[in-house]
Amino acid sequence: SQQGEEDPQALSIQEGENATMNCSYKTSINNLQWYRQNSGRGLVHLILIRSNEREKHSGRLRVTLDTSKKSSSLLITASRAADTASYFCATLDAGGTSYGKLTFGQGTILTVHP
Amino acid sequence: DGGITQSPKYLFRKEGQNVTLSCEQNLNHDAMYWYRQDPGQGLRLIYYSQIVNDFQKGDIAEGYSVSREKKESFPLTVTSAQKNPTAFYLCASSAKYNEQFFGPGTRLTVL
Repeated sequence: SQQGEEDPQALSIQEGENATMNCSYKTSINNLQWYRQNSGRGLVHLILIRSNEREKHSGRLRVTLDTSKKSSSLLITASRAADTASYFCATLDAGGTSYGKLTFGQGTILTVHP
Repeated sequence: DGGITQSPKYLFRKEGQNVTLSCEQNLNHDAMYWYRQDPGQGLRLIYYSQIVNDFQKGDIAEGYSVSREKKESFPLTVTSAQKNPTAFYLCASSAKYNEQFFGPGTRLTVL
């Protein structure tokens, strides 16, 4: 079952603009992770935010987590054409085993035009 | 050079045939996972293993089987019972509570 729902499904912007993607989920989580996938390739981990954290930064990436609303957002600042990819959120359920299953959203397709 | 590898990159299966997808990791991770991805979709979990000689069904295990005889290896067999196997298959591994590392994927097509 898909826990995360991502919004928008597709996003098209110009180079230099910021891109914001949102993720909602349904159950209590241990952590929430964001991944990137270039077409036809494996996923690459971008950032992990734990349930007791509200914001995290990594380079041009900023992730926020609101556990009361069961939602997260990923902001990519000063986007580049090389950022063109699909972006997925994934949640690790709370209360499971320490290697608990990740549940993925359906992803946001980001296109950055040069 | 640590990482996770999958082979083959492309695989073609005839009706009624079983095929096995390979996944190997040298990251010393305890946990390994198999996902299926259909066009324009997210990932769905097929099987996962937290320790050698043990594995659990994911959300869509029917028609698939796995083994975990070595820490480094987690092969996936797509059996003839899987009626719609054409998809992109991704293997991943992880340490406790941490991010998952993905292989490059195997694209399976039924002829």
